[in-house]
Amino acid sequence: AQRVTQPEKLLSVFKGAPVELKCNYSYSGSPELFWYVQYSRQRLQLLLRHISRESIKGFTADLNKGETSFHLKKPFAQEEDSAMYYCALSVNYGGATNKLIFGTGTLLAVQP
Amino acid sequence: DSGVTQTPKHLITATGQRVTLRCSPRSGDLSVYWYQQSLDQGLQFLIQYYNGEERAKGNILERFSAQQFPDLHSELNLSSLELGDSALYFCASSAYRGYGYTFGSGTRLTVV
Repeated sequence: AQRVTQPEKLLSVFKGAPVELKCNYSYSGSPELFWYVQYSRQRLQLLLRHISRESIKGFTADLNKGETSFHLKKPFAQEEDSAMYYCALSVNYGGATNKLIFGTGTLLAVQP
Repeated sequence: DSGVTQTPKHLITATGQRVTLRCSPRSGDLSVYWYQQSLDQGLQFLIQYYNGEERAKGNILERFSAQQFPDLHSELNLSSLELGDSALYFCASSAYRGYGYTFGSGTRLTVV
């Protein structure tokens, strides 16, 4: 079965501290993973996609197929990073048929 | 502006009523996806359309239906509304799955 697990509902850190938001997945195919950020229940914004290996707003994420993980990291948290973060897995059925499934999200709260 | 347009932004209606939510995908994107975000269920995939055809289906209630028109805009119809249908409804579009899914700003539905 396809599943995305984010074990932490809330992660509270102080400004300048390192951040790691955990994400584990279960998928029999070749995974395509993403991190989305949502500020105050607004639009979901794409933060990272694993195939591009980008670093956006100081965040990085590495796909570890052995551990089936795609953790999101940032070395120094900023107050403006406070938001809801969702890990997502693209499930592909072949051709143009696919869907994105989400974890339950982790609320990151960065304290001053 | 993500390029995905959803209307209306807010909708308040009574139980038993029917509403239609509209989504215009980003220019060039052939796939449209509908999601429901509620506090207790998180982000739930409802349905995918690709170039006018239904492709993937999630936990979409029989009271809900969707379609995608020749100009690629999509509508989500919700009927016999119940209090529990109150949620944020997001539309997303994609061109190539590996490049991520772009989300609209959502329609906040309140059923009273």
